[in-house]
Amino acid sequence: QITLKESGPTLVKPTQTLTLTCTFSGFSLSTSGVGVGWIRQPPGKALEWLALIYWNDDKRYSPSLKSRLTITKDTSKNQVVLTMTNMDPVDTATYYCAHSTVTTNWFDPWGQGTLVTVSS
Amino acid sequence: QSVLTQPPSVSAAPGQKVTISCSGSSSNIGNNYVSWYQQLPGTAPKLLIYDNNKRPSGIPDRFSGSKSGTSATLGITGLQTGDEADYYCGTWDSSLSVPSWVFGGGTKLTVL
Repeated sequence: QITLKESGPTLVKPTQTLTLTCTFSGFSLSTSGVGVGWIRQPPGKALEWLALIYWNDDKRYSPSLKSRLTITKDTSKNQVVLTMTNMDPVDTATYYCAHSTVTTNWFDPWGQGTLVTVSS
Repeated sequence: QSVLTQPPSVSAAPGQKVTISCSGSSSNIGNNYVSWYQQLPGTAPKLLIYDNNKRPSGIPDRFSGSKSGTSATLGITGLQTGDEADYYCGTWDSSLSVPSWVFGGGTKLTVL
């Protein structure tokens, strides 16, 4: 059974850097083809894909946020970390991580999400 | 503004059928598989349909997906009050040099 869980600060100040961790079980990021993605959802708004990292360290980023995002993996800890710089109140959202693979075209399953509020 | 266009809302009575459209272009839906996600109130999205028309284990056959050209459609028959949720389509987009994932703007389903 695959599970994922997001963790990180619930409140960050404008201009600060956000660091979120996705801790997963039921699969390994050292297995060929496996990937983990990050998706966010502002309150009452739509899903927005942020980034994706694969077992071979191939990384994909949202073109509109690429300059602010960094995704890394720690295979030994079964974790994926997303950092987003220069946070703004418009970045207030629930952030989800989700399992994917290089040969599939979907995200499944998803973590429960973590709400991050950007406010001074 | 989402790359994939969905109607903001749809509604139907219990027991009826509803369809939700997802319109894109040749750089996304036209050349890639589409997946659909159901997000019940206050919960994380859940995969509903993958590869245009396949259902994961545990998803009832009341849910179906199809794709034609640059559009995809989610169909739900025998509507139940428990189907009230937001539904999102998603796929890869290759309009730029590096493919990126895109979601539709979401459709709120109300079962009257």
